[in-house]
Amino acid sequence: QLQLQESGPNLVQPSETLSLTCTVSGGYISNSGFYWGWLRQPPGKPLEWIASFYYTGNTYYSPSLRSRANIYLDSFQNEFSLTLRSVSAADTAVYYCARGYYAEGWFGPWGQGTLVTVSS
Amino acid sequence: EVVLTQSPGTLSLSPGERATLSCRASQSITNNFLAWYQMRPGQAPSLLISGASTRAAGVPARFTGRGSGTDFTLTINRLEPEDFALYYCQQYGSSPGTFGQGTKVEI
Repeated sequence: QLQLQESGPNLVQPSETLSLTCTVSGGYISNSGFYWGWLRQPPGKPLEWIASFYYTGNTYYSPSLRSRANIYLDSFQNEFSLTLRSVSAADTAVYYCARGYYAEGWFGPWGQGTLVTVSS
Repeated sequence: EVVLTQSPGTLSLSPGERATLSCRASQSITNNFLAWYQMRPGQAPSLLISGASTRAAGVPARFTGRGSGTDFTLTINRLEPEDFALYYCQQYGSSPGTFGQGTKVEI
């Protein structure tokens, strides 16, 4: 059974870089035929798609986060990661990784999510 | 971007009743690329429906997705205790993919 698990710091300083990793078990990212993505949900706000990549290497970003986000694959570790630069309090959210059938949806399965707080 | 409006915000029902959730889009959704997800507290979001009406593997038949264009519904027949949760719709027909604000189904 495919499972995803997010990991990374729970607290990030304003203006710093947020870094998260998604470890995939029960299946391989490379040659999977699927997209792999990051999404988030700020407190009290809807879910938001951040970025995805295709197993061939193509990447896709939300226009609102394109300038600050980077998604990349570590095929050896069967992991993929997200970095988000120059964070502010508005980036405080529960961050999820998920497998996508298309670059921007539908997604399943998802990781449990990890709360990242941006605060000094 | 496509704005999805879900209604009602909260649905108060009893086990065994039927829930009807609405998701309305600000513009027609290409190819009816609309998905529904369930979120229970402390659990990973779970895909219920893709392509407006296709149940994901393992999703009980009491969950039915319908609709096209701008108006979509998720119906849950005979609510089970585990169905009381948050439900989100998402469109992935236009970039960027967007989500509704959610409907809470509560006891």
